[in-house]
Amino acid sequence: DIQMTQSPASLSASLGETVTIECRASEDIYNGLAWYQQKPGKSPQLLIYNANSLHTGVPSRFSGSGSGTQYSLKINSLQSEDVASYFCQQYYDYPYTFGAGTKLELK
Amino acid sequence: EVQLVESGGGLVQPGRSLKLSCAASGFTFSDYNMAWVRQAPTKGLEWVASISYGGSNTHYGDSVKGRFTISRDNAKSTLYLQMDSLRSEDTATYYCARKDWEPGWFAYWGQGTLVTVSS
Repeated sequence: DIQMTQSPASLSASLGETVTIECRASEDIYNGLAWYQQKPGKSPQLLIYNANSLHTGVPSRFSGSGSGTQYSLKINSLQSEDVASYFCQQYYDYPYTFGAGTKLELK
Repeated sequence: EVQLVESGGGLVQPGRSLKLSCAASGFTFSDYNMAWVRQAPTKGLEWVASISYGGSNTHYGDSVKGRFTISRDNAKSTLYLQMDSLRSEDTATYYCARKDWEPGWFAYWGQGTLVTVSS
């Protein structure tokens, strides 16, 4: 199985700041990576697919990058509504696997 | 608008069975592969099972293989998850999700249904 190591586990940032979340795969996943946002008490919502493609309706302050085994999610100009947990997921191969998540809070 | 509405969760004793349903609307259900993803309380996400648009191809996570069965009724636009031999570690919120590519990402999610396995 492909292991997804996500960091940091938690993150505290100020409004307007830029934050970056990293995800490392245990082997090359050839950009088969998605990022999800989950607000407390809600279901996950897709942000990014194919490592760098923005899902419909997602604000442009979210962006994804990376290749091979290393990927990142960047949030520019942090807004209060971005407080949430973020998860990466590889779909290059079954079984699909998720990172453990990053909890983003406001400083 | 894409809508996925799960039902069928509840409290069940270890070793018993439960069947979850997911009613889809707002898109042509038979055109899309579907999946179940679960999340144990205060934990991360775990992919459970996937099924192709016609129902002929299925995949399962190792932790549920041989105990859970994913199926679909395209005439009713409904996805199912039959869960047998339930264990305490199956306690989680179960989400139905639509896949927009194969292999692919989960583009839309339901609100989830909570399954609690306890005596």
